[in-house]
Amino acid sequence: QVVLTQSPSASASLGASVKLTCTLSSGHSSYTIAWHQQQPEKGPRYLMELNSDGSHSKGDGIPDRFSGTSSGAERYLTISSLQSEDEADYYCQTWGTGFGVFGGGTKLTVL
Amino acid sequence: QVHLVESGGGLVKPGGSLRLSCAVSGFTFSDYYMSWIRQAPGKGLEWVSYISSSGNTIYYADSVKGRFTISRDNAKNSLYLQMNSLRAEDTAVYFCARPVYGSEWGTLGDWGQGALVTVSS
Repeated sequence: QVVLTQSPSASASLGASVKLTCTLSSGHSSYTIAWHQQQPEKGPRYLMELNSDGSHSKGDGIPDRFSGTSSGAERYLTISSLQSEDEADYYCQTWGTGFGVFGGGTKLTVL
Repeated sequence: QVHLVESGGGLVKPGGSLRLSCAVSGFTFSDYYMSWIRQAPGKGLEWVSYISSSGNTIYYADSVKGRFTISRDNAKNSLYLQMNSLRAEDTAVYFCARPVYGSEWGTLGDWGQGALVTVSS
């Protein structure tokens, strides 16, 4: 079964950039993942789908500040020009026939 | 505009039952797979179940298999989750969600606001 690993926390300053990582378990480096943002006390919001070759497609209304890249089993979410409303939990998600999987989430603090 | 609205949450005793509903609008419900995801207090997201657009294909997480039943009524644009034999560890906010690509299971593109289920004596 595929496992997604995320660092529990990250922080960066207002206006800076931050790169969050989602790591696919061994043998699953070809999987496509999705990134979701969950602001405090809200339901998750879909940000983008990210393929193993780095190509990605974003959800409606997602700013250009959000981008995705891939390298091997790593999937990255980069947020540039950080704003206060970017302070949230970020989850990666993948799937297969008969299952869905989420990473443990990364809590992003904007300093 | 896509809307997913969960209802039916509440407080239930261990061993009890509860049925969640998810009313949808803004898209052709019968064209889309649908899913339930939950989030225990202070914890991350956990996939619970998904159902195909016709209702013929259904899968569950091992943690709920045999106790929860997902279903849908395409005429009523509604998704359901019947939860039986509830345990304290089922306490969570339950979200319904719609995949980006309707005709298959995969990336979740739209989420409801969630319904809180509390299992406690």
